[in-house]
Amino acid sequence: NAGVTQTPKFQVLKTGQSMTLQCAQDMNHEYMSWYRQDPGMGLRLIHYSVGAGITDQGEVPNGYNVSRSTTEDFPLRLLSAAPSQTSVYFCASGEERDEKLFFGSGTQLSVL
Amino acid sequence: AQSVTQLGSHVSVSEGALVLLRCNYSSSVPPYLFWYVQYPNQGLQLLLKYTSAATLVKGINGFEAEFKKSETSFHLTKPSAHMSDAAEYFCAVSDDFGNEKLTFGTGTRLTIIP
Repeated sequence: NAGVTQTPKFQVLKTGQSMTLQCAQDMNHEYMSWYRQDPGMGLRLIHYSVGAGITDQGEVPNGYNVSRSTTEDFPLRLLSAAPSQTSVYFCASGEERDEKLFFGSGTQLSVL
Repeated sequence: AQSVTQLGSHVSVSEGALVLLRCNYSSSVPPYLFWYVQYPNQGLQLLLKYTSAATLVKGINGFEAEFKKSETSFHLTKPSAHMSDAAEYFCAVSDDFGNEKLTFGTGTRLTIIP
């Protein structure tokens, strides 16, 4: 049982490049979400999904896109990377109607 | 919107001493409160949660937290610190039972002095 798996662990981009951060969970959780973690700011919610085909915006959605075609996968897309998107990104999943979240180990992204 | 404030971005305690990490919430309705821990280079994991069943909540690794409505607080404590407790701790709030959309505080980094 792998839990929540994020790839890649590290990534360096140039301004304007696009990329997709991958997130997969094998716990059959309906809820999945993406957070970014920045020093002194804690974790901020980017996007979330309550099931396949359903996504919604969190606190800081600008510059990011998501889709949820399957229960297992919830990729995060950066369409045109900016230095302000340098951060550590965490994917999390949870069972329906349970506030306990399971987190991946994170992706450290640097945008130059 | 619900929010939590963590007082002290860094806390240092000696091994064997009391650990006290502070969290205050801002809510006009009964909140659902959580403490998560993040060990170096790992994701967060749940320490404990308060969902109104009992004001004193016991979690993993000897940690506990007490919900005090009069003080709008949910401070995390551990009687005796261990070196393995060194980590970053996050308080979080949900505005509804079963709502996984959590709002996190800014975190407190706990250092244990040998």
